[in-house]
Amino acid sequence: QSVLTQPPSVSGAPGQRVTISCTGSSSNIGAGYDVHWYQQLPGTAPKLLIYGNNNRPSGVPDRFSGSKSGTSASLAITGLQAEDEADYYCQSYDSSLYVWVFGGGTKLTVL
Amino acid sequence: QVQLVESGGGVVQPGRSLRLSCAASGFTFSSYGMHWVRQAPGKGLEWVAVIWYDGSNKYYADSVKGRFTISRDNSKNTLYLQMNSLRAEDTAVYYCARDGVVGATTRNNWFDPWGQGTLVTVSS
Repeated sequence: QSVLTQPPSVSGAPGQRVTISCTGSSSNIGAGYDVHWYQQLPGTAPKLLIYGNNNRPSGVPDRFSGSKSGTSASLAITGLQAEDEADYYCQSYDSSLYVWVFGGGTKLTVL
Repeated sequence: QVQLVESGGGVVQPGRSLRLSCAASGFTFSSYGMHWVRQAPGKGLEWVAVIWYDGSNKYYADSVKGRFTISRDNSKNTLYLQMNSLRAEDTAVYYCARDGVVGATTRNNWFDPWGQGTLVTVSS
């Protein structure tokens, strides 16, 4: 059971918009800690997608955006492309466990 | 370019030890905190350990505390993870990852970049 809760899977057709939620609690996201997002393509290492809730590293397309409110955060992907098919993970810090925590991951399928 | 390359994985019997290494290049290694993160087969990501840029602080996940030791050699640009008393549930791909920002590690830290990972299989 992950500290941060993500839907196991989401799907969308090419060109559509999808969102992936990340729900935490008062000891992590709700405590004000930043949320970061990673993309893991099949058979590869995770790659940073969004940092500090809503910042994109250089090279990440502006189709990807992040937001945070209360005890939750979301990753939005617009103009869905076949190469977006991957697992996506949210990450934050938990002050009651004293560890960095991840969501369980969401598998994005492009139909 | 910034690069992290792990090595040292393999098949080991329960109760035995293994040491992982992570060779860093393309950045000032001694200026960044470093982490180990693992991923069991078909599962999600689990943070394992962190070491401050100067080695002054080390923290561990409860699941490995007392069995694993993180260390670094800034003169060799290398991060290590000594794993003792290995259990079947330690089977995973182990990634090393750098702090997202230079200097002291903060709770708002993110991980970037990541190495390609090294597989550790604990089985008799």
